[in-house]
Amino acid sequence: DAGVIQSPRHEVTEMGQEVTLRCKPISGHDYLFWYRQTMMRGLELLIYFNNNVPIDDSGMPEDRFSAKMPNASFSTLKIQPSEPRDSAVYFCASSLSGTGAKEAFFGQGTRLTVV
Amino acid sequence: GQQVMQIPQYQHVQEGEDFTTYCNSSTTLSNIQWYKQRPGGHPVFLIQLVKSGEVKKQKRLTFQFGEAKKNSSLHITATQTTDVGTYFCALGSGNTGKLIFGQGTTLQVKP
Repeated sequence: DAGVIQSPRHEVTEMGQEVTLRCKPISGHDYLFWYRQTMMRGLELLIYFNNNVPIDDSGMPEDRFSAKMPNASFSTLKIQPSEPRDSAVYFCASSLSGTGAKEAFFGQGTRLTVV
Repeated sequence: GQQVMQIPQYQHVQEGEDFTTYCNSSTTLSNIQWYKQRPGGHPVFLIQLVKSGEVKKQKRLTFQFGEAKKNSSLHITATQTTDVGTYFCALGSGNTGKLIFGQGTTLQVKP
């Protein structure tokens, strides 16, 4: 398996524009997480899904952020409109439920810069 | 909600010295995971601890889970330059699948 795939790897956009980040989890994994990483706030959990259903979105900073998982192999995180303070590295991760270590596998991340 | 405090935030050591990072929770944990993130990279899973008082070793790395399952530590013996990175503990919920990360400890190793 190629692992968790995120696109794009880098995104530079102007304030006010819509940004869409994409994630393809590992096939067969039933949990999908979106994290945001900054120097100030560390690795924050934004939202996570189980079997394509959003379970907890309490980490989503505000209504400008939305996430969807239309099927088991694809998820998006959208920011509309984007602001400079949204600049961060956004990671998608997936894991498998059941017994044993429920390790999360991370994608390479999307480095977002809003100017 | 569940919170975790990880200390120290930064640690600079001379190659060959030991290193320890600690993770403390306000609530009893079902399990705890440890991850390493190299500079410019993404977090990579190291280990999961589940049992009270559990100790696991991976070469020079020793992981411990407290008896009360509220704290954990990662100890590296005789650090090497390849150990450079940020080490995170992560609180896992056995029931909900939620995974919350600590603030991380960034390790610098001087050759």
